[in-house]
Amino acid sequence: AQKVTQAQTEISVVEKEDVTLDCVYETRDTTYYLFWYKQPPSGELVFLIRRNSFDEQNEISGRYSWNFQKSTSSFNFTITASQVVDSAVYFCALSMNRDDKIIFGKGTRLHILP
Amino acid sequence: DGGITQSPKYLFRKEGQNVTLSCEQNLNHDAMYWYRQDPGQGLRLIYYSQIVNDFQKGDIAEGYSVSREKKESFPLTVTSAQKNPTAFYLCASSIIMGGYQPQHFGDGTRLSIL
Repeated sequence: AQKVTQAQTEISVVEKEDVTLDCVYETRDTTYYLFWYKQPPSGELVFLIRRNSFDEQNEISGRYSWNFQKSTSSFNFTITASQVVDSAVYFCALSMNRDDKIIFGKGTRLHILP
Repeated sequence: DGGITQSPKYLFRKEGQNVTLSCEQNLNHDAMYWYRQDPGQGLRLIYYSQIVNDFQKGDIAEGYSVSREKKESFPLTVTSAQKNPTAFYLCASSIIMGGYQPQHFGDGTRLSIL
């Protein structure tokens, strides 16, 4: 069965601290895709990144970075020098090449305190 | 600007009443989706549609119905058979169906029972 686990329900950090959001996934497929989405208080989900199972290179985009490790089935997301605008719910998601659906984790609510 | 428009933002349902949530996209996307979000539960797929005049049940379709008469529109009806309709409903679209396609989301509709 396919599954995405975000063990951290809620995290609070002080502004400018670094924070890592954990994501662990389960699948028996060899081809799959991993996603991160951000849900700000306005409600819509914003796509942040997609990674396919054959590309384990880490990715950096500004203050955001992602660490994909197939050996531990993890796809963790780090925000460096956090800002209040980073406060949101963050979802990790998994989909298989053959399947039309995206499986979402339950999300991690991140509070950045000024 | 291209995007997904959901309306209304807030909706109240009386006992025994059907209500319809609107979702319109001008992204020229073929695939559209409806999700339900409950606190701490992540997103659960209600229905999805790959092309006009075609749609498939998701994981929690009972008590809901949809139609896809136009490419840009995918309304969701919450019927009286849905006994616990209070939730946040999100509509999404993607260029085509396929697990690797990131989805674009609307701002959501919050449905409550009167």
